[in-house]
Amino acid sequence: KAGVTQTPRYLIKTRGQQVTLSCSPISGHRSVSWYQQTPGQGLQFLFEYFSETQRNKGNFPGRFSGRQFSNSRSEMNVSTLELGDSALYLCASSSRVGDSSYEQYFGPGTRLTVT
Amino acid sequence: GENVEQHPSTLSVQEGDSAVIKCTYSDSASNYFPWYKQELGKGPQLIIDIRSNVGEKKDQRIAVTLNKTAKHFSLHITETQPEDSAVYFCAVPDPGTYKYIFGTGTRLKVLA
Repeated sequence: KAGVTQTPRYLIKTRGQQVTLSCSPISGHRSVSWYQQTPGQGLQFLFEYFSETQRNKGNFPGRFSGRQFSNSRSEMNVSTLELGDSALYLCASSSRVGDSSYEQYFGPGTRLTVT
Repeated sequence: GENVEQHPSTLSVQEGDSAVIKCTYSDSASNYFPWYKQELGKGPQLIIDIRSNVGEKKDQRIAVTLNKTAKHFSLHITETQPEDSAVYFCAVPDPGTYKYIFGTGTRLKVLA
């Protein structure tokens, strides 16, 4: 089975611009989660989607948004970029066998640099 | 909500020695405890996990132990090799919220 794929792998943007990141989960996985990873804050949860519905959102401003398509692929968007948005953005997929214990598999991430 | 603490933040061991990383959590309802390994330039890789009905799980040189009473779980790596050098994260699903809470990570260096 192919793993979680994320595109693009690297991005350089300017403050004030917007960016869209894409994630394709493992085939058959319907849950997709997004995380932001920075040296100072570690891995922070952004949001989780299941069957095109956002079920939870982390403590991030409204500039961060996402969506999931019927084929389970997901995108996240960051508008009005700030320098502090520079981070590794990770996508993880899960088959969600039960709600309380489920394996999550991560993609390689998209490295976003805001200048 | 769930809170996770991970120690130590850095760990250096000689090749062939053992390494132990510990995480504590706060919510007694949590029942799934994975460990991830992240190498430079890559995403976290699930290396082992344990569920609350089991006290220990082994997979070759790695093992995870769980103490539900004390609310902590540990990653054990035996006979360490240079390729074990990486950052290791523990994680705990926050019950009822569909999200994981991650530990702050442990940078493991295996010295040849």
